[in-house]
Amino acid sequence: DARVTQTPRHKVTEMGQEVTMRCQPILGHNTVFWYRQTMMQGLELLAYFRNRAPLDDSGMPKDRFSAEMPDTTLATLKIQPSEPRDSAVYFCASSTTGSSHQPQHFGDGTRLSIL
Amino acid sequence: TQLLEQSPQFLSIQEGENLTVYCNSSSVFSSLQWYRQEPGEGPVLLVTVVTGGEVKKLKRLTFQFGDARKDSSLHITAAQPGDTGLYLCAGGGGSNYKLTFGKGTLLTVNP
Repeated sequence: DARVTQTPRHKVTEMGQEVTMRCQPILGHNTVFWYRQTMMQGLELLAYFRNRAPLDDSGMPKDRFSAEMPDTTLATLKIQPSEPRDSAVYFCASSTTGSSHQPQHFGDGTRLSIL
Repeated sequence: TQLLEQSPQFLSIQEGENLTVYCNSSSVFSSLQWYRQEPGEGPVLLVTVVTGGEVKKLKRLTFQFGDARKDSSLHITAAQPGDTGLYLCAGGGGSNYKLTFGKGTLLTVNP
């Protein structure tokens, strides 16, 4: 089965450091989502792209977070500088074009710990 | 802002028991998806319901979308340890790609 691939799976770093998370969506999927999951807030949408163009990044703290899709096979989420409150599991998901009726296929996440 | 409330937050039962978890909102959704998430993995789609009153069955799991498309329920018959996981509901707005997720119900089925 085709899968969304996320790297790294785990990342531990000190506050102030830059963090880059990568996602390879399923081939042929043109909509990509970035989520953050914490116990307190659950799954929160940070940003999403269609055909590599950002459609909505209103869920993302723009002073320190940035999301890009350099090409159709790679999406990146960067945090600079990182803070302890950024500790969470970050998920990437992809979907075929269409409406929210379409399933979102999730990767297994990047577990981020900022010390 | 559309919100989805899931209840209960936590549920621990014995193998063989039946259970129902709920997903409620004051907003109308054009679709409602249910996902299951296991530890260390991403959520995996179980079902999508789009019509008010719709009922879908997936083996021992029965999903229902409320008539007004504001709520949904998931019923599991004769739960098994393999059903253990975090069950998430997510509401969709149609042409908008975005899903609004509830915080989930963490189910533990003890052997």
